[in-house]
Amino acid sequence: AQSVAQPEDQVNVAEGNPLTVKCTYSVSGNPYLFWYVQYPNRGLQFLLKYITGDNLVKGSYGFEAEFNKSQTSFHLKKPSALVSDSALYFCAAGSNRDDKIIFGKGTRLHILP
Amino acid sequence: DAGVIQSPRHEVTEMGQEVTLRCKPISGHDYLFWYRQTMMRGLELLIYFNNNVPIDDSGMPEDRFSAKMPNASFSNLKIQPSEPRDSAVYFCASSFLVGEQYFGPGTRLTVT
Repeated sequence: AQSVAQPEDQVNVAEGNPLTVKCTYSVSGNPYLFWYVQYPNRGLQFLLKYITGDNLVKGSYGFEAEFNKSQTSFHLKKPSALVSDSALYFCAAGSNRDDKIIFGKGTRLHILP
Repeated sequence: DAGVIQSPRHEVTEMGQEVTLRCKPISGHDYLFWYRQTMMRGLELLIYFNNNVPIDDSGMPEDRFSAKMPNASFSNLKIQPSEPRDSAVYFCASSFLVGEQYFGPGTRLTVT
């Protein structure tokens, strides 16, 4: 069965510092990996995806994520955090064998001014 | 395109009443997903459609829940009868590519 783990419920980072939000996955077949962001009282917004190719994927708002096959991880990163990055972040995984994706439970990111 | 449209945005109803949530996907998207989000259970996939056909409804919690997609422009999710534990935010999402889903603003359902 497919699964996604986000081991941290909350991550606190000072503004201007680099941030990392962790995600590991388990899927059958070739992994399709995604990050979404949710701001208060809004639906989820797609940030970036890995399907194939370069292990470092760049997405919206300066975010990037690194696919690591041996560690089955897809951590979200940003070199310099902004207060406006504070939100709930979801990692999701699917595969070439399925149309649906499975979401992690989410990590709340707090950027401290 | 206006994005995924959901209505109503808020619904307050009494236990036992029928609730209907509506969704208009993005034109050209052939996948439509219904999710439920609560603090306790997080984001749960209820059902999804491909080309208007239900593909997987294993996430529908009970027979009280049903969903239809009569055409490519519309889907509804019904709860009959509603119960307080159904209180949640219900999201509709659509996609053209697998995984790259576009979410609506959600319907916040409160059942008293």
